[in-house]
Amino acid sequence: QVQLVQSGAEVKKPGASVKVSCKASGYTFTSYGISWVRQAPGQGLEWMGWISAYNGNTNYAQKLQGRVTMTTDTSTSTAYMELRSLRSDDTAVYYCARSTLYTLSHCDYWGQGTLVTVSS
Amino acid sequence: EIVLTQSPGTLSLSPGERATLSCRASQSVSSSYLAWYQQKPGQAPRLLIYGASSRATGIPDRFSGSGSGTDFTLTISRLEPEDFAVYYCQQYGSFFGQGTKLEIK
Repeated sequence: QVQLVQSGAEVKKPGASVKVSCKASGYTFTSYGISWVRQAPGQGLEWMGWISAYNGNTNYAQKLQGRVTMTTDTSTSTAYMELRSLRSDDTAVYYCARSTLYTLSHCDYWGQGTLVTVSS
Repeated sequence: EIVLTQSPGTLSLSPGERATLSCRASQSVSSSYLAWYQQKPGQAPRLLIYGASSRATGIPDRFSGSGSGTDFTLTISRLEPEDFAVYYCQQYGSFFGQGTKLEIK
């Protein structure tokens, strides 16, 4: 069965960076993409971007351009999302989700979420 | 940038009733690129509908999606207790609506 297992909760100071991992299993990793979505406490869903696990192509949300980098390691079927220059409003649960190889795609399987807390 | 506006913000209904949730886009959206998700407290979202009207794997047929252009609808024909949750629409690879909370009346 398809599973996406994310890394554990993180606490970071403002200005620091965080890197969240998402290990996929139960399907051919390079036949799909991975999207990242975040959700601030009590708020709605925010799409952050997408990466093709086939060739590494990316598409980032404009507001995060320059601060976010998404990568994959096909040898371990793992996707990564790094967010730099963290601010308090980056505090959120970060989700990875399986998407198609097209940049415009829905998300059919989701990870359990990783809480990132940014606090001094 | 296309903005998705969902209505109502909160919908109060009883089990067995029919729920109709709206998602309106500020510009025309290709029907192929509209999805609906369900999210329960403390859980990740779950894909319900993709391509505006196709049910995802394992989704009961009481859930249906329709619409085109700027107006899309998620309908739950007969509410079950487990359907009370928050529902989001999304334009593929882009923004989500702000959500509709479906609560028990």
